[in-house]
Amino acid sequence: NAGVTQTPKFRILKIGQSMTLQCAQDMNHNYMYWYRQDPGMGLKLIYYSVGAGITDKGEVPNGYNVSRSTTEDFPLRLELAAPSQTSVYFCASSYPMTGANTEAFFGQGTRLTVV
Amino acid sequence: GNSVTQMEGPVTLSEEAFLTINCTYTATGYPSLFWYVQYPGEGLQLLLKATKADDKGSNKGFEATYRKETTSFHLEKGSVQVSDSAVYFCALSDEGNKLVFGAGTILRVKS
Repeated sequence: NAGVTQTPKFRILKIGQSMTLQCAQDMNHNYMYWYRQDPGMGLKLIYYSVGAGITDKGEVPNGYNVSRSTTEDFPLRLELAAPSQTSVYFCASSYPMTGANTEAFFGQGTRLTVV
Repeated sequence: GNSVTQMEGPVTLSEEAFLTINCTYTATGYPSLFWYVQYPGEGLQLLLKATKADDKGSNKGFEATYRKETTSFHLEKGSVQVSDSAVYFCALSDEGNKLVFGAGTILRVKS
């Protein structure tokens, strides 16, 4: 069972560079999320998607873009990297269940440093 | 908006000590509540959950009870082990199943 797979695991970017963080899930989940984890700050929601072709902003979307062309994939794009985007990024997925909330499954994380 | 507040760490305990990590929440409606655990170098994984008031979630010796009257979901374990050393996150699930996390509490257990 692969679950949620994120690539790369580590990356160093120079200020102004761009990159795409990849996320794929093989559980046929409708919902997918991107969070960033800063030291001592918990996790903040960047973007989320409730299904293919549908995305929406979370709490901290500035400087990021997403797309959801398939159920499986939810890439996160950084267009002009800034030092403030140095963080650990987690992708997660879950599925809606009528009458109850379900758990989210997380990837292993991508540690990004912008210098 | 919805928010989660949990006790600051790190919490340092000796093996077999009793653990409590406090968590309180602010939310509209009736959210589900979760505890996630993050071991070093890994992603988050669900530890336990409760979906309605007075529910008790339990797993691996950990327990937490959904207290609507005090808006709390404190995590407890009767006897911690070194292998429990990790970061623990309290979270709630709002409309749309979006998870709102607390800041996390580092737990260190010494042998």
